[in-house]
Amino acid sequence: TQLLEQSPQFLSIQEGENLTVYCNSSSVFSSLQWYRQEPGEGPVLLVTVVTGGEVKKLKRLTFQFGDARKDSSLHITAAQPGDTGLYLCAGPYESGGSYIPTFGRGTSLIVHP
Amino acid sequence: KAGVTQTPRYLIKTRGQQVTLSCSPISGHRSVSWYQQTPGQGLQFLFEYFSETQRNKGNFPGRFSGRQFSNSRSEMNVSTLELGDSALYLCASSPLGAGNYGYTFGSGTRLTVV
Repeated sequence: TQLLEQSPQFLSIQEGENLTVYCNSSSVFSSLQWYRQEPGEGPVLLVTVVTGGEVKKLKRLTFQFGDARKDSSLHITAAQPGDTGLYLCAGPYESGGSYIPTFGRGTSLIVHP
Repeated sequence: KAGVTQTPRYLIKTRGQQVTLSCSPISGHRSVSWYQQTPGQGLQFLFEYFSETQRNKGNFPGRFSGRQFSNSRSEMNVSTLELGDSALYLCASSPLGAGNYGYTFGSGTRLTVV
């Protein structure tokens, strides 16, 4: 069972379109991180959201943390081919007294020129 | 500031062999974690080392082991390789542990078992 469910699993769009990807859980997280991973490379941290209801912007990317801290969304405005990649959400999961980041399976985004 | 360095980038091994992967974290980072990434399972946590001690361990068999040296460099070892061990192995470093602030990942080692 995945603690973090991401949707959609795949997304193929044209340059200039807007899109939203989701990260949902039945558990409360103290924070959530979003990463982007390009083929053949490791994930790169984009943002961390900590406060319920928090909204963070990174150029054309808008990240929101749900009020109950169980979900998050990533909205991309006017997508560009350079946005192509695997978008992963992750959150710290308490295990044995410490916190281990657990990852969703990701949303694979392709932006066509 | 140098990033997280993993070596080798690619590796092909035969079933039954063993393999050792290396990771040099960002200077000053004391926590190193290892993940296995496959298309079917996504990123699965292997273990975390902090100050040369294993602090957390995921649900992998004992064939997967690791260690951390006094300079924070880490190695992971997989013995008696199986075809299902083919994956991208990612090392991630953080100052004290990913906690609420996330990781810096290396580019990974692509292991193929034939």
